[in-house]
Amino acid sequence: DQQVKQNSPSLSVQEGRISILNCDYTNSMFDYFLWYKKYPAEGPTFLISISSIKDKNEDGRFTVFLNKSAKHLSLHIVPSQPGDSAVYFCAASASGSARQLTFGSGTQLTVLP
Amino acid sequence: NAGVTQTPKFQVLKTGQSMTLQCAQDMNHNSMYWYRQDPGMGLRLIYYSASEGTTDKGEVPNGYNVSRLNKREFSLRLESAAPSQTSVYFCASSSDRGIGGYTFGSGTRLTVV
Repeated sequence: DQQVKQNSPSLSVQEGRISILNCDYTNSMFDYFLWYKKYPAEGPTFLISISSIKDKNEDGRFTVFLNKSAKHLSLHIVPSQPGDSAVYFCAASASGSARQLTFGSGTQLTVLP
Repeated sequence: NAGVTQTPKFQVLKTGQSMTLQCAQDMNHNSMYWYRQDPGMGLRLIYYSASEGTTDKGEVPNGYNVSRLNKREFSLRLESAAPSQTSVYFCASSSDRGIGGYTFGSGTRLTVV
């Protein structure tokens, strides 16, 4: 049973437009959420995070929104750039030993020039 | 550069062979993790170590063993490799708080034939 779900395996967006990547979770104990970006043949790199006490966190072109009642979070990228083309993983953790991360299956974002 | 180093980057094993994947971090992190990435499955936690001298099972530990050799090093051993263990393996580390997320290595691509 997947506790973190990314239902869209792929997304294509025109350069300059907004990219919206979605993520749903089922475990109500999760209190911290992160997005990772992964290029081929590299490890995932941390992009942005949000605590459950907030509903929005911004960092430059990247904004993460959290809707706790719906158990849903989204990553907005504005404006999208060709260099943003990568696989994006949503991850979640609950407080406790070592803060294990549970990952979604990923969404391949392609930004078309 | 500071970070997480994994060796080897590529490996082909025959069914039944054994091998050890090495991981070292130089960020003075207490927690270390081993994940595997499979198509459509995201990253799944194999084992983790919250501190030197401790290890715990993750979501998919069967067929693997780990050793936290010291604070820097966390190795993953396959005693008798099976084709189902064909995957990309990522090592990661994090600070105690984990708030900043994990730092991942670049991965080991393992094929078992």
